[in-house]
Amino acid sequence: DTAVSQTPKYLVTQMGNDKSIKCEQNLGHDTMYWYKQDSKKFLKIMFSYNNKELIINETVPNRFSPKSPDKAHLNLHINSLELGDSAVYFCASRSSGNTIYFGEGSWLTVV
Amino acid sequence: DAKTTQPTSMDCAEGRAANLPCNHSTISGNEYVYWYRQIHSQGPQYIIHGLKNNETNEMASLIITEDRKSSTLILPHATLRDTAVYYCIVRVEEYGNKLVFGAGTILRVKS
Repeated sequence: DTAVSQTPKYLVTQMGNDKSIKCEQNLGHDTMYWYKQDSKKFLKIMFSYNNKELIINETVPNRFSPKSPDKAHLNLHINSLELGDSAVYFCASRSSGNTIYFGEGSWLTVV
Repeated sequence: DAKTTQPTSMDCAEGRAANLPCNHSTISGNEYVYWYRQIHSQGPQYIIHGLKNNETNEMASLIITEDRKSSTLILPHATLRDTAVYYCIVRVEEYGNKLVFGAGTILRVKS
C-alpha cells in the first residue's frame, strides 16, 4: 500500500483555471506538507499542517489554498493558474520520529 | 538551519562503495544531519540521520566527524538503482520542523 498517495499524478490545464491536488497518508502521522519542485529542480516547502492546523506558510501566493479535512488528508487548491505554477508538487507526512515521507509527486503543466 | 555544501556530482562504479561528502561547518549542537535521495521522477526518500554518533541502517552508513562540521554518507555496494540526487540537510528538531533542500549531489553509478 502506498503510504503517501497523491492524485492526479499528471495534470495539464489552461491558464486561469482552478485545480486541486489531493493527498492522503495512511501512516497515522499528525503533520503533513506540500513541497514544490520547479524546473530548476529545487524543492521548496509551501505549507505544513499539524492535526488540521496550518503551522507553516512559506510566502506562497494566496491563489494557493491548502485544506485539511482531517489529519490524514491535505489537499492543495490553486486558483487562477499561471504559467509559472507549472512544477511538480510533492505531498509529505512526518512521523513522530521526525522522518518525512514523500508522495510520488503530481506533475502540473499550465499551458 | 545551518547551510550545507555538497559536490555537484560524483561518479561511482557499480559494486563499489559510494562516499558522498557534506560540509556543515556552521552546524549547532542541537541540529541533526539528515540524508535524503531523489531518484528520477520519484519523490524524495529518507535514507538516514544522526546527531553526533555514526549511524548505520539497511541502506547506508553515516559518518559524522568529531567536530560535527562534516559528514559522509556511505553506500557500501552501489548499484545502478542508486543513481539519484542525494541531499544532505541539517535540521533542528522542533515543532513544525521542515526540510530545507539544497541542490544536492548527483550520484551516477556506472557499470
